[in-house]
This record gives sequence, structure tokens and C-alpha cells, in this order.
Amino acid sequence: IAGITQAPTSQILAAGRRMTLRCTQDMRHNAMYWYRQDLGLGLRLIHYSNTAGTTGKGEVPDGYSVSRANTDDFPLTLASAVPSQTSVYFCATGTGDTGELFFGEGSRLTVL
Amino acid sequence: GQNIDQPTEMTATEGAIVQINCTYQTSGFNGLFWYQQHAGEAPTFLSYNVLDGLEEKGRFSSFLSRSKGYSYLLLKELQMKDSASYLCAVRDSNYQLIWGAGTKLIIKP
Repeated sequence: IAGITQAPTSQILAAGRRMTLRCTQDMRHNAMYWYRQDLGLGLRLIHYSNTAGTTGKGEVPDGYSVSRANTDDFPLTLASAVPSQTSVYFCATGTGDTGELFFGEGSRLTVL
Repeated sequence: GQNIDQPTEMTATEGAIVQINCTYQTSGFNGLFWYQQHAGEAPTFLSYNVLDGLEEKGRFSSFLSRSKGYSYLLLKELQMKDSASYLCAVRDSNYQLIWGAGTKLIIKP
């Protein structure tokens, strides 16, 4: 693993299904984030975690949940997917110094 | 509310210079970031400004005026590979990043 790995890369999902997007880092960064990116809008923060064992809500948390059992993993779960959750999802980690973020390659999710 | 404004799209010629502006209104200020994002890829960090003035890094420079709520990214000697979206983001008083929608830069030969 080099940096941040997201899985799956893309997924088509029926509405109402449960889905977990995986994010794993090997950079040993404390802070991790989940963003969604939609055309014409800036990146919007869904949930974040400043350190293992803690999580917080971002700008658009409804319909999503996260956990942070350890430093490396930060999965994002959609309990019951809806079409408005069709988006590209980016996981990111931060150094806490300048605040530079390192992004995973993204997960493109389509909910039908 | 918090707001980041940047042009939706700009076009420039290979070898030329282009300036991408960003204006912001946020609850507090703890730094401004510029990221580059090629189509279908993840954003990558370009620059960070927390004090007024110009930060130069190779062909790219970033300027900040906190009193005006204004920044720009200056790209010199444009290359075709600079075709990408450029994202402006401000870290607010809660140390959360507020993102602009991005400026799509099209480079023509």
C-alpha cells in the first residue's frame, strides 16, 4: 500500500441497499476525512476523524456513518442508499501541520 | 454563510501566463490552499498561504490578501499538462476546509 487506498473504484447500487466504501492509509496520519464531489459544487465534507476512536460530522452527514477503530482504516457506510447519494467520494488524510490533505483516488458511486 | 468564489472556466494558450482568482467569506481564517485536479483523478496539493503576500514554487505562485479576502494562483509558461481544475479552499475558525467549486483551465496550443 502506498498512501491512501479506496475501494471500490466504482459501483452501481440499487436504491435501498447498504454500501460500505473502504479507505486505508499507510501514512500514519491522525486525521482522516470523507468528501463527496458533485459537478458544479465544491468538495463537501461528510464525516471526519481527528484520531483513532473519534469521529465528527461534516457539512453533509445525513445518510452516512463512519467508524475509526484504528489509525489506518476509515470506512464510510451508506445504510440505505438513495439516488441523491450518486457522487464521487474521496477519502483524505491530513498531516495537521500545514493542513495539506492527501486524497485517495476516489470511489464513483451510482445509485439507481 | 461561508462562501468561496472562483471562475468556473478559463482558457489560456500554451506558453502564456494565467491568473486564477479566488475570493472568500468565511467564519475565521486559518490558511488558504490551492489544489490541482486532473479530470477523473484526485486533487493534489499545490500551495498554502497563511500570511499576506506571494508564495512562489517553480512555475506556480500563490498570492493572499487577508484584508480583501482574496487570493490568486498564477501559472507561468503554461504547458498542456496544466489543463486541469484548480480548487481554492479556506480553513475556517474550526480548522475545517471550505472548498470552492473549482476553475477548469483549458490550455490551447
